[in-house]
Amino acid sequence: GEDVEQSLFLSVREGDSSVINCTYTDSSSTYLYWYKQEPGAGLQLLTYIFSNMDMKQDQRLTVLLNKKDKHLSLRIADTQTGDSAIYFCAESIEGNTPLVFGKGTRLSVIA
Amino acid sequence: GAVVSQHPSRVICKSGTSVKIECRSLDFQATTMFWYRQFPKQSLMLMATSNEGSKATYEQGVEKDKFLINHASLTLSTLTVTSAHPEDSSFYICSARDSGTGRLRANYGYTFGSGTRLTVV
Repeated sequence: GEDVEQSLFLSVREGDSSVINCTYTDSSSTYLYWYKQEPGAGLQLLTYIFSNMDMKQDQRLTVLLNKKDKHLSLRIADTQTGDSAIYFCAESIEGNTPLVFGKGTRLSVIA
Repeated sequence: GAVVSQHPSRVICKSGTSVKIECRSLDFQATTMFWYRQFPKQSLMLMATSNEGSKATYEQGVEKDKFLINHASLTLSTLTVTSAHPEDSSFYICSARDSGTGRLRANYGYTFGSGTRLTVV
């Protein structure tokens, strides 16, 4: 079955880059997503990448996908205190199936 | 873009009462709705999948008689927590899928509600 793994915590200083990593097991993933969840709030889609892409950049966010190793990463440049949140990696499979989420990485930004 | 309106955002109820949570798709037809729950500091756990006009499919370990899901129309799905107990206190989130035009949307058709914080006292 599908499984998505993430490290649970990451702490960085304001202005540094953050890199959040994720591994998944299902090679038939079509899209991979990064969601942000602030305390007490719902999920905000940050970015996504199609499985035939290696990299996607969107302003401060860079997503790298290594399909061979089933490894996904999210790099946040110039991390700000407002980036403190939980970041979830998720994958979708072709068809009408639900997203499979990792356990989330709690990012703490130190001023 | 696609929007799913989820209500209420917060609810406090007494043990033994029932609570209904609604998710409405505002500008698309939600052919499929996924219901998740999230315990504090944990990930989202899929509870059930519902397709419009048919019975919901529940994940293993989720009591279908306790968590009643109704998806009677293409724009509305409801989750009713019946005879709520303190251990049902959680954050519940719906996710709607627009299978018809999902491929055209940037997020491949998954739109999340803003969540409902349920506290049972």
